[in-house]
Amino acid sequence: GENVGLHLPTLSVQEGDNSIINCAYSNSASDYFIWYKQESGKGPQFIIDIRSNMDKRQGQRVTVLLNKTVKHLSLQIAATQPGDSAVYFCAEGHLGNEKLTFGTGTRLTIIP
Amino acid sequence: DTGVSQDPRHKITKRGQNVTFRCDPISEHNRLYWYRQTLGQGPEFLTYFQNEAQLEKSRLLSDRFSAERPKGSFSTLEIQRTEQGDSAMYLCAALGKTNTGELFFGEGSRLTVL
Repeated sequence: GENVGLHLPTLSVQEGDNSIINCAYSNSASDYFIWYKQESGKGPQFIIDIRSNMDKRQGQRVTVLLNKTVKHLSLQIAATQPGDSAVYFCAEGHLGNEKLTFGTGTRLTIIP
Repeated sequence: DTGVSQDPRHKITKRGQNVTFRCDPISEHNRLYWYRQTLGQGPEFLTYFQNEAQLEKSRLLSDRFSAERPKGSFSTLEIQRTEQGDSAMYLCAALGKTNTGELFFGEGSRLTVL
């Protein structure tokens, strides 16, 4: 199958632990941010989004934090599971025009 | 299942040949996007449609590339006179109806140009 991101930054986390994936975005005018998960051989899968008028948003086991001052985005995954192993991308853009700019991915590996 | 189907999943071709990829979103998706992803990189925007109208094209889309969405449903992306640098995953995505900006991506069409 597709082997995405052979030379990506990597993060290894013990199963059950929490993980934090960081992303620096480039455009201070971006008002919409999304985290995607991409498993080998598959297209990106939406995880969670956040608008620029917020600094934190929580989903099921995931939390996204946005720091507009330093143009930083993070994804926290609680109680990681083997199925969380994938490449994670942040993306920025404008709500209403989903011409997203994707960041460099991070390969997350969950150690059983 | 995102409701976005792409065909073929894999295509190997010789340099100079033409290739065409097809994307079928479910009928409720009126916005359709094409992205390209090379190994180790995030997807890059190529073009998008609102129904049958092509509203924006990236500078990445050279004149050898053409995309259509003739009836506002399925879309095709054709690459003429392929070059080795065209080798990539071509991803189709559709905007959901939830008004969240969530893009539903297909599984992609992997192109290898020899």
